[in-house]
Amino acid sequence: GENVEQHPSTLSVQEGDSAVIKCTYSDSASNYFPWYKQELGKRPQLIIDIRSNVGEKKDQRIAVTLNKTAKHFSLHITETQPEDSAVYFCAALPRAAGNKLTFGGGTRVLVKP
Amino acid sequence: GAVVSQHPSRVICKSGTSVKIECRSLDFQATTMFWYRQFPKQSLMLMATSNEGSKATYEQGVEKDKFLINHASLTLSTLTVTSAHPEDSSFYICSAYGTGDEAFFGQGTRLTVV
Repeated sequence: GENVEQHPSTLSVQEGDSAVIKCTYSDSASNYFPWYKQELGKRPQLIIDIRSNVGEKKDQRIAVTLNKTAKHFSLHITETQPEDSAVYFCAALPRAAGNKLTFGGGTRVLVKP
Repeated sequence: GAVVSQHPSRVICKSGTSVKIECRSLDFQATTMFWYRQFPKQSLMLMATSNEGSKATYEQGVEKDKFLINHASLTLSTLTVTSAHPEDSSFYICSAYGTGDEAFFGQGTRLTVV
């Protein structure tokens, strides 16, 4: 089955700086890669996603890049703000997995004012 | 987007009792729903896939007799934690898909077994 590795597990940045989170996946059949933000005790919220036919996608301060050959995808947050502090999860969805998402281990992001 | 509602949001139960958690798709039909468990400071781990009108499929290592799943309608799946023990204390979350690839999550249920 699919295996998703996520790094780093914790990330502390100064407000205004950029944050980068990296994930790798193992199943070349994966074709959908969402990123979720989860605040303590709450449900994961989709913040951006990318499909395998696209190399990069941007939405305001958030961008995601995908390298299919290397099976890497990354989340970039620019101009970080304190409200960006949360746990972020990457995930991968293999085409034939019956919609079973596999999550990375998560990155706890702390943005210091 | 689609809305998935999960109840209760918090439950405390005594060791040995059973707890039922409901997951509803409010504005769409879901033939398949997914149940996850999340321990503190850890990721979401898929427990089982709930299939409307048929048996759930469980991930390796998840006890089907302990975590009973019923998906009796296109909008409701239930997870019953039977004979709960303190080690079952966790955050349980369901999800379902609308028409695309995006998964919609319920609010989650914080289960504490005392």
